[in-house]
Amino acid sequence: GQQVMQIPQYQHVQEGEDFTTYCNSSTTLSNIQWYKQRPGGHPVFLIQLVKSGEVKKQKRLTFQFGEAKKNSSLHITATQTTDVGTYFCAGRGAGGTSYGKLTFGQGTILTVHP
Amino acid sequence: DSGVTQTPKHLITATGQRVTLRCSPRSGDLSVYWYQQSLDQGLQFLIQYYNGEERAKGNILERFSAQQFPDLHSELNLSSLELGDSALYFCASSVAGTPDTQYFGPGTRLTVL
Repeated sequence: GQQVMQIPQYQHVQEGEDFTTYCNSSTTLSNIQWYKQRPGGHPVFLIQLVKSGEVKKQKRLTFQFGEAKKNSSLHITATQTTDVGTYFCAGRGAGGTSYGKLTFGQGTILTVHP
Repeated sequence: DSGVTQTPKHLITATGQRVTLRCSPRSGDLSVYWYQQSLDQGLQFLIQYYNGEERAKGNILERFSAQQFPDLHSELNLSSLELGDSALYFCASSVAGTPDTQYFGPGTRLTVL
């Protein structure tokens, strides 16, 4: 079945440093979603990427979808303590996978030291 | 607050028991999804309902079942509980037409002793 790998598993940064998490799928994706889960909270939808090579920005966050639609990245510039949490990617496989059936990566746990 | 509600917040029960988790989707959302989140397995898709009909299934155990009612709320039934079923169970909902953009509820933490 489809697998989505996410690295790194953990990232500790000093406030103000940049952070990047990478997501790789074993199969081509129709789209990819990114979620953030604060400690003790629930996943919160951040963004959806659909097109090959797509880049989207949300303030200090930059999301990319690879040309082959098998990988994606989330980059945070100048981290703040409010960025703490686990960042998940979630993809739906191309080629007939049911709409809404997402495969989640294991997540990257981001810690920001003030 | 996503607008998705889940009850109860916490549930503690014993092995072999049966529990029911409840979810109300956001107003207007027809799809409901159930996920299991455990430390070693991450977020696992269990099952999806759309307007009362089962739409997609993930790695849901036979001991688990779900349904979506005419008022669109959904219930996840877990039976013959085992220690390994201890996890966070999330419900999510989505707007018709954008099924992959899912909004998660606060979750139910199930502890099986």
